[in-house]
Amino acid sequence: DGGITQSPKYLFRKEGQNVTLSCEQNLNHDAMYWYRQDPGQGLRLIYYSQIVNDFQKGDIAEGYSVSREKKESFPLTVTSAQKNPTAFYLCASSIQGRDIQYFGAGTRLSVL
Amino acid sequence: AQSVTQPDIHITVSEGASLELRCNYSYGATPYLFWYVQSPGQGLQLLLKYFSGDTLVQGIKGFEAEFKRSQSSFNLRKPSVHWSDAAEYFCAQIYGNKLVFGAGTILRVKS
Repeated sequence: DGGITQSPKYLFRKEGQNVTLSCEQNLNHDAMYWYRQDPGQGLRLIYYSQIVNDFQKGDIAEGYSVSREKKESFPLTVTSAQKNPTAFYLCASSIQGRDIQYFGAGTRLSVL
Repeated sequence: AQSVTQPDIHITVSEGASLELRCNYSYGATPYLFWYVQSPGQGLQLLLKYFSGDTLVQGIKGFEAEFKRSQSSFNLRKPSVHWSDAAEYFCAQIYGNKLVFGAGTILRVKS
């Protein structure tokens, strides 16, 4: 069954800790994206990648980092520099940029 | 700057009544536009898309949307709402290689 898998579903971060959110897709899509969702603000783009070993900052990249070593994987690290990390994080993919994006089920990150 | 506006934060309709959710876009002579739906705690599901051609587009679950260039609008409609349609709805537009979202409209359905 093709799709986008995000894990874990819930994640808790301690003060000063880095945490990594996983995103895997088996749709053979070239492009992958990370969004942050806060109530009443829609979705805001954190990072995106059009091709393996390349990625670009989105609108709110500060305090986050990504890698794209494999086509099917695009992990997001929330670093200790992100002072307000509590949010719902969504990963998406598309065949190419400027195309329909398909979304995973999300990871909810909270601070302990 | 690119922006997508959804003027209504919340809308409440009775089950069986018609629905229209408003969306205004700000960029492009021929925009690429989408409507997505999100149930609580879930990801987004694509309802429909507009790239070009017929200005009335049909989507899943009985939804349709009409692209009106003169009004920069792409409103979502459904003739008869079901209780299971209660969710949050997002309008979005492609800008460059990015998807720009509106703030969302929460739909409540009363029986």
